[in-house]
Amino acid sequence: EDQVTQSPEALRLQEGESSSLNCSYTVSGLRGLFWYRQDPGKGPEFLFTLYSAGEEKEKERLKATLTKKESFLHITAPKPEDSATYLCAVREHSGAGSYQLTFGKGTKLSVIP
Amino acid sequence: DTGVSQDPRHKITKRGQNVTFRCDPISEHNRLYWYRQTLGQGPEFLTYFQNEAQLEKSRLLSDRFSAERPKGSFSTLEIQRTEQGDSAMYLCASSPASGAGANVLTFGAGSRLTVL
Repeated sequence: EDQVTQSPEALRLQEGESSSLNCSYTVSGLRGLFWYRQDPGKGPEFLFTLYSAGEEKEKERLKATLTKKESFLHITAPKPEDSATYLCAVREHSGAGSYQLTFGKGTKLSVIP
Repeated sequence: DTGVSQDPRHKITKRGQNVTFRCDPISEHNRLYWYRQTLGQGPEFLTYFQNEAQLEKSRLLSDRFSAERPKGSFSTLEIQRTEQGDSAMYLCASSPASGAGANVLTFGAGSRLTVL
């Protein structure tokens, strides 16, 4: 069973058409939920970290929110340069103090001019 | 600082050959991570170093894979007797060991491996 599930797999938006990406997770104890952006042929680029339910973070046209079972990445009035794959990852509690992140498969966003 | 550097960016090899990838992290970062990413998938954790100590290894890291960080600076990831299933992007990331940035991984551009 996947610990991190992202939906939709792909999303096409018209420029200016706001929408949300979903990340649902099943971990025993959350030590952080992370959003990254990945452009083709490049490594992931950090966007946000959320630690507790109710927390929100914003950056330009992006806003990330967190509940006990899922996170949303809201994109307001997107522009073509927002086109990328958006990855969600979790870090969970473990006795060994694991620092590994478990990533979802990502949502590929295309913003059409 | 130029960020996390990885070399080579692309490697094509024949099955059975050995390959080595190098990662130079951000200079003040104590932690260094290796991940593997295949097409259409998110990155998968392979291993993690704090300074020169390898503190965590995934069960994905078979005995054909070995990673080192001899002086706590750059790291190498070697794959012996490559198989076609090893074809992937190998991503390196680094982070500080403490402070607000400790949970924030800065990734390199990756080394893409193709095994023929």
